[in-house]
Amino acid sequence: QKEVEQDPGPLSVPEGAIVSLNCTYSNSAFQYFMWYRQYSRKGPELLMYTYSSGNKEDGRFTAQVDKSSKYISLFIRDSQPSDSATYLCAMRRGDYKLSFGAGTTVTVRA
Amino acid sequence: DVKVTQSSRYLVKRTGEKVFLECVQDMDHENMFWYRQDPGLGLRLIYFSYDVKMKEKGDIPEGYSVSREKKERFSLILESASTNQTSMYLCASSITGFEQYFGPGTRLTVT
Repeated sequence: QKEVEQDPGPLSVPEGAIVSLNCTYSNSAFQYFMWYRQYSRKGPELLMYTYSSGNKEDGRFTAQVDKSSKYISLFIRDSQPSDSATYLCAMRRGDYKLSFGAGTTVTVRA
Repeated sequence: DVKVTQSSRYLVKRTGEKVFLECVQDMDHENMFWYRQDPGLGLRLIYFSYDVKMKEKGDIPEGYSVSREKKERFSLILESASTNQTSMYLCASSITGFEQYFGPGTRLTVT
């Protein structure tokens, strides 16, 4: 079993829809939870991070962590074609290492 | 802005060749990482370095080695390339460990 599970999709939504992405994990020691965005032919870039359980909002993006269920989510409101990318969840283990999900490819149709 | 550059965007090598992938960062970060990215598997850590000349194995180090002679430069070496090392290779640097800055990647094909 992988340490971090993420449905690879692909996910296709019309412009303006809410995009819902999620990951599950098995290691209860994870404390930092991140979402990275990767555009085609580019490296990933950090979108948001959350420490421990709870919600965090940044503009149209909301990250949620439920440590009791070992489940994290990312919601994108009022999605735009420019949000079309692969979204990877990641969790910090130890001092420096990250465990990544497989990534979900999202297409927002104009 | 942090910039992480990788020496090649695309590389084609033959089985058995020794391959060098170079990564340079310009933000004086202590930590540098090499990942490979494969469909359905996500990013998997090959090696990382937390200081000059210091390195630690990641999750899939077999068939790879690394070199970090200067703080800004981290090299990945495939000692004898094999077809199962065909992949996208991503380099990253970081201060905190969780906010990692990635380069654009090198797509390596081994034939």
